[in-house]
This record gives sequence, C-alpha cells and structure tokens, in this order.
Amino acid sequence: DVKVTQSSRYLVKRTGEKVFLECVQDMDHENMFWYRQDPGLGLRLIYFSYDVKMKEKGDIPEGYSVSREKKERFSLILESASTNQTSMYLCASSTSSTGGYTFGSGTRLTVV
Amino acid sequence: AQSVTQLDSQVPVFEEAPVELRCNYSSSVSVYLFWYVQYPNQGLQLLLKYLSGSTLVKGINGFEAEFNKSQTSFHLRKPSVHISDTAEYFCAVFMNTGFQKLVFGTGTRLLVSP
Repeated sequence: DVKVTQSSRYLVKRTGEKVFLECVQDMDHENMFWYRQDPGLGLRLIYFSYDVKMKEKGDIPEGYSVSREKKERFSLILESASTNQTSMYLCASSTSSTGGYTFGSGTRLTVV
Repeated sequence: AQSVTQLDSQVPVFEEAPVELRCNYSSSVSVYLFWYVQYPNQGLQLLLKYLSGSTLVKGINGFEAEFNKSQTSFHLRKPSVHISDTAEYFCAVFMNTGFQKLVFGTGTRLLVSP
C-alpha cells in the first residue's frame, strides 16, 4: 500500500525554536506538498516541490522554508517558531499525470 | 484563476437519511475534480475523482458525485448515511494542462447523529 509518512503526530515547541517537520513517501512521486490546516480556512499551501532540489512558494510561505535533497523526502522548516504557527500540518505527494494527492496523517504542532 | 466553493461549513443529518454536500468551482479550462474525506486527527483520504467520461462517479463507502459542466458543480451524495460518516469533506479542483496544484475548498463538516 502506498504511503506518505510524517515523522510526528504531535509536537510541542517553544517560541523561537527551529522546528523540522519530516515527510517521506515510498511511491516514487515527483511532486510533494506541505499544507497547513486551520478551522474555517481549509487547507492552505505553504510550499511544494516538483523535483529534487526544486521548490516553489505556495500561498503562505512566510516564516517557513523547505528542503528536498532526495526524491522521497520533503522537509518543512520553521526557522523561528511563533504561536501563530500552531496548526495541523499535512504533507502530500502526487504524480503529474492526474493530480490526485496521497496525504500523510498530519502533524499537530503546538507552539507555546 | 480557479477556485472552489463549499457553501456549507457544516451539515447536520440523522443516521440513514440522504445527504448532499455541495461543491462549485470556477475555471475557464477543463479540470479534474476530487472529493477527499478527513476523519478526526487523520490526514485526507481520496473518496472519488472525476477525470473524464461518465459524469456520475462512484467512490468508496457508498458515496457518489455528479459532474455538471454547465453548472460548474461537483456535488457529493450518499443515499443513507452512517454515524461513521461523520467527518470533514473537501472538494478540490486540478487543471489538467501543465503543472498545476490542487485547489481545495474550505471543507464541509458532516455531522451524523442517531
């Protein structure tokens, strides 16, 4: 069964900490995505990548960066965590042909 | 630019009743359409998708959706819901030309009560 794995289900971090969220897929997908999900706002795209070492800003990239050194791994980095980054973070991957995404189980991040 | 509208943020319904979750999209080119479901504290799971062909699409768990090009709609339906269908449902659109990302609606929370 195809899988997207996010390393942590729950994380609690302090304001100002550097935070790494990891995502690994085993489907050899070209494209990978990071979303955040907040009540009433749906899913908002932070960054995406369509190839190794390639990255593109999504709709809300401020305060975030990403890294894709290998095809299967896409990391989201919060350079200096703030309380307004408390959210559910969802990783997804896809091929380019039909657009269907496979999602990870999500990481619920709380910044205190 | 394409967009997706889910007008109903929450839909309460009794068990075994029918339900329809509405989705409208705006796009000037042909699109692929998706419905995803999210159970509490989980990621999103694909329910069904429309790529081409028959406008009535059947998905998992007894759900179906109908693509209506003239009304730019892709409403999700189930004839008889169960308590276990309580979840959040997201409609999404993808342009089938060039590299484009999925655009999601804001979601509809389906609340099924006994």
